Amino acid sequence: DGGITQSPKYLFRKEGQNVTLSCEQNLNHDAMYWYRQDPGQGLRLIYYSQIVNDFQKGDIAEGYSVSREKKESFPLTVTSAQKNPTAFYLCASSTPGQGIGELFFGEGSRLTVL
Amino acid sequence: ELKVEQNPLFLSMQEGKNYTIYCNYSTTSDRLYWYRQDPGKSLESLFVLLSNGAVKQEGRLMASLDTKARLSTLHITAAVHDLSATYFCAVDMEYGNKLVFGAGTILRVKS
Repeated sequence: DGGITQSPKYLFRKEGQNVTLSCEQNLNHDAMYWYRQDPGQGLRLIYYSQIVNDFQKGDIAEGYSVSREKKESFPLTVTSAQKNPTAFYLCASSTPGQGIGELFFGEGSRLTVL
Repeated sequence: ELKVEQNPLFLSMQEGKNYTIYCNYSTTSDRLYWYRQDPGKSLESLFVLLSNGAVKQEGRLMASLDTKARLSTLHITAAVHDLSATYFCAVDMEYGNKLVFGAGTILRVKS
């Protein structure tokens, strides 16, 4: 079945550590996105990529990094520079045509900093 | 900067009642999306509205888009407990290649 796979589902991190969240899609979508969701809030865009080897900062990119070496994969690294990383992270993909197109989401990764 | 406002942010309603969730946005766009999120889960696409006057219906939910008023509505008819969830609207920022989400409306349907 086609879809988006995020791993791990739950992750605990000590302060000062970098962690990488995986996102893989087999939908053959060109564009991929990372969103952050805090309790009781909407989604905020961290980074997005419309083609391989290219990506753009979203609204809250500070303390995060990404790569897009393959069409199927868009990993997100939460660095020690991110001051408040505890959140629910959602990866999404789409096939932009006229505009962004419908987003399809993975199941999410919940990161907790101890 | 595109702003997307939903209201109400919290809605508690009795089973069998009707209600409407509103989504207002601040700049020109003719593409709007509605998503549902269950607690602790990811987002599920409900409706894709791609033009002025678009209306989509699925079961007890109906969504519409008025691009001139910069307003979308999600109407709930004869609510049932299974509709309890958080509902988000998202607007495609024209030429921005990204979606901006509203804060979400938490819906609780009581028996």
